Amino acid sequence: AQSVTQLDSHVSVSEGTPVLLRCNYSSSYSPSLFWYVQHPNKGLQLLLKYTSAATLVKGINGFEAEFKKSETSFHLTKPSAHMSDAAEYFCVVSDLGYGNKLVFGAGTILRVKS
Amino acid sequence: KAGVTQTPRYLIKTRGQQVTLSCSPISGHRSVSWYQQTPGQGLQFLFEYFSETQRNKGNFPGRFSGRQFSNSRSEMNVSTLELGDSALYLCASRYWDGNTEAFFGQGTRLTVV
Repeated sequence: AQSVTQLDSHVSVSEGTPVLLRCNYSSSYSPSLFWYVQHPNKGLQLLLKYTSAATLVKGINGFEAEFKKSETSFHLTKPSAHMSDAAEYFCVVSDLGYGNKLVFGAGTILRVKS
Repeated sequence: KAGVTQTPRYLIKTRGQQVTLSCSPISGHRSVSWYQQTPGQGLQFLFEYFSETQRNKGNFPGRFSGRQFSNSRSEMNVSTLELGDSALYLCASRYWDGNTEAFFGQGTRLTVV
């Protein structure tokens, strides 16, 4: 079965410092992996996706993630946090072998301090 | 192009009633999925429709049902509402398969009193 573990429920950083949100996944086939962001009372916005092309994926707003198959990880990073990055982030796996359904991690709430 | 549209944005219902939520996907997208988001359970998959057929179903009771029309618009229905059905219901639109990203609507906030 597919599963996603986001290793931190809350992350707090200072503005201008790096961001690291950790994600491990489990999938028996060849997964597609995504990071989504949700601002309060909003829907989900796609940050980036991995679909078996380059293992280092660049997304919007300066975010990037690296797919590491040996570690079954897909951590999200950003070199310098901005106040507007404060939101909840979801790591998501999708696999053709499991009917394409999206399986979400529990989410990581990112707080950015001024 | 227009994004995913969910209506209504907010609903208040009483226990025992039923409710219908609507989702219009991005033009050309044939896959529509529904998710329930609650503080306790996070985001959980309800079902997916593709070309008017239910392709996948999550672990929810039969009170939760859905359908998709020939224009790809989808509805989900919840009958005999319970307090625990209070949640944000999100609809996701996809062009084809699991390798393509899903685009989400703003959601429908359902409150059962």
